[in-house]
Amino acid sequence: ETGVTQSPTHLIKTRGQQVTLRCSSQSGHNTVSWYQQALGQGPQFIFQYYREEENGRGNFPPRFSGLQFPNYSSELNVNALELDDSALYLCASSAGLAGVSYEQYFGPGTRLTVT
Amino acid sequence: AQTVTQSQPEMSVQEAETVTLSCTYDTSESNYYLFWYKQPPSRQMILVIRQEAYKQQNATENRFSVNFQKAAKSFSLKISDSQLGDTAMYFCAFMRHSGNTPLVFGKGTRLSVIA
Repeated sequence: ETGVTQSPTHLIKTRGQQVTLRCSSQSGHNTVSWYQQALGQGPQFIFQYYREEENGRGNFPPRFSGLQFPNYSSELNVNALELDDSALYLCASSAGLAGVSYEQYFGPGTRLTVT
Repeated sequence: AQTVTQSQPEMSVQEAETVTLSCTYDTSESNYYLFWYKQPPSRQMILVIRQEAYKQQNATENRFSVNFQKAAKSFSLKISDSQLGDTAMYFCAFMRHSGNTPLVFGKGTRLSVIA
């Protein structure tokens, strides 16, 4: 069984640029959630995708957007990068809705640094 | 909105001793899940233990156990026979019962196990 993978591991961008982070969900999982973890903080929910549709969003501006593909992998896109976007971005996958499976399995994260 | 509070930013314990990490939460929901996640320096978020709110029995996983007090909205983690590999950030997290809803995390407790 393949776990959740994320790419790239580290990324350095300049303020104002755009970035795309990628996540491959665990085999059999159809739901992907993205979290932002600032240094010294707990993860904060960005949004969730279920079967290619957005299924909930946290308190993040529209310049944070996402996609989920037919194979349930996902992308997180951030436009007009700001210094405060520097953080660890975590992807988590889970299976089903309606309480079928509530466990979220996390990837190793992408460390984004904005200079 | 749900909130999770971890009041101990840092803790330390001698190897083989027992340590308890505290967590309180606030919610108006009657049915939900609670989790403890471990995040070692490798950054991978690992599920340690989970508790369903409708179950009165406290969850146990090997050396890890919880003390779930629903009325007090308290959910502490006890680690017995602490090992050096337990050194990590520990996050308490809440999730509504509706299936695939986002995790709400506390700010974490940094645990150091000392030889």
